[in-house]
Amino acid sequence: NAGVTQTPKFQVLKTGQSMTLQCAQDMNHNSMYWYRQDPGMGLRLIYYSASEGTTDKGEVPNGYNVSRLNKREFSLRLESAAPSQTSVYFCASSEAGGSQGQYFGPGTRLTVT
Amino acid sequence: GQSLEQPSEVTAVEGAIVQINCTYQTSGFYGLSWYQQHDGGAPTFLSYNALDGLEETGRFSSFLSRSDSYGYLLLQELQMKDSASYFCAVRVLTGGGNKLTFGTGTQLKVEL
Repeated sequence: NAGVTQTPKFQVLKTGQSMTLQCAQDMNHNSMYWYRQDPGMGLRLIYYSASEGTTDKGEVPNGYNVSRLNKREFSLRLESAAPSQTSVYFCASSEAGGSQGQYFGPGTRLTVT
Repeated sequence: GQSLEQPSEVTAVEGAIVQINCTYQTSGFYGLSWYQQHDGGAPTFLSYNALDGLEETGRFSSFLSRSDSYGYLLLQELQMKDSASYFCAVRVLTGGGNKLTFGTGTQLKVEL
């Protein structure tokens, strides 16, 4: 039982390049999320998927797109990376209810130069 | 929108008790969660309060007062490994998901 996995762990991009961050969970959770965390800040929600087949914008969706590929997988795409997108990206999953909390992956450290 | 306030830093000695407060302003409030994050690591879930009162899980307890829009995390018998950042997060109603808004975190330093 791996929980939530993310790839890659580290990535360096040049401004304007594109990339996709991958996330998968094996806990049979309905809901999945993408967050970014900047130094000294809390986590800010980029996009979430309440259930397979649905996606919604969070606090900071500009410059990102997502795909809920199936119940297990939720990917985040940067179409044209900008230095402001340098951050640590966390994927999480949860049951629809709140009492069990969200389970986070190990994160992807992205630098855009 | 939602806003949360928590102290940026707290220092305590090993074996002591520390309380980390969180006040929030939000619409559609459903519950308050707490997460722990060690440097370089991922956040891990600690507790969730949907109703007023105290929830206890081992050395950690969490309290919520919905009327005061206030909660706290209480850590007892502090250990060095408790040095980490602690985030409160409000859960708000959405179209089915468990959507959270996080505070900016409290860095807890445990000293000998």
